[in-house]
Amino acid sequence: AQSVTQPDIHITVSEGASLELRCNYSYGATPYLFWYVQSPGQGLQLLLKYFSGDTLVQGIKGFEAEFKRSQSSFNLRKPSVHWSDAAEYFCAVGASGTASKLTFGTGTRLQVTL
Amino acid sequence: DTAVSQTPKYLVTQMGNDKSIKCEQNLGHDTMYWYKQDSKKFLKIMFSYNNKELIINETVPNRFSPKSPDKAHLNLHINSLELGDSAVYFCASSQGGRGNTIYFGEGSWLTVV
Repeated sequence: AQSVTQPDIHITVSEGASLELRCNYSYGATPYLFWYVQSPGQGLQLLLKYFSGDTLVQGIKGFEAEFKRSQSSFNLRKPSVHWSDAAEYFCAVGASGTASKLTFGTGTRLQVTL
Repeated sequence: DTAVSQTPKYLVTQMGNDKSIKCEQNLGHDTMYWYKQDSKKFLKIMFSYNNKELIINETVPNRFSPKSPDKAHLNLHINSLELGDSAVYFCASSQGGRGNTIYFGEGSWLTVV
């Protein structure tokens, strides 16, 4: 069975600083990986996804993530964080089957200080 | 236009009541889902329908019954609500299977008192 680990429950960064959120996955085949963001009281918005090809994936809002098969990781990065990036970030792996069954990590809450 | 919309957004109800959450998607997708997010923000799939057929049922109590009248709608009915059912319920949709992006609604905040 697939699983996702987000080791950091809560991260605080200063506005303008760089950000890296960690994600490790466990899956027996080639994974389909996603990062979603959830602002307080809001739904989930897709930031980016990896299916195949280039291991460095660009997403919305200036985010990028790098797939590293050898480390089973899919870390999310942003060079310069804005206060509006404060939110909960979820990494997810897609399982095989008729439907895309996403298994989510427990999330990382990002706090941005001014 | 909202791609995946669900109603109500907030619902407070007493234990033992029966309630429904409705979901509609206007993306033309053939697959719809219900996910549950608990108080610790953990997200877990409950159900998935593909072309109105149930294809994923993740050991959810029988009190939860999804119904898909057509490809664009997936409703969630909950009988005999319990305190532990308090959560945020997300509807979502995608086109086809594995790897395709799942689009989420804004969630329905259910509080059972």
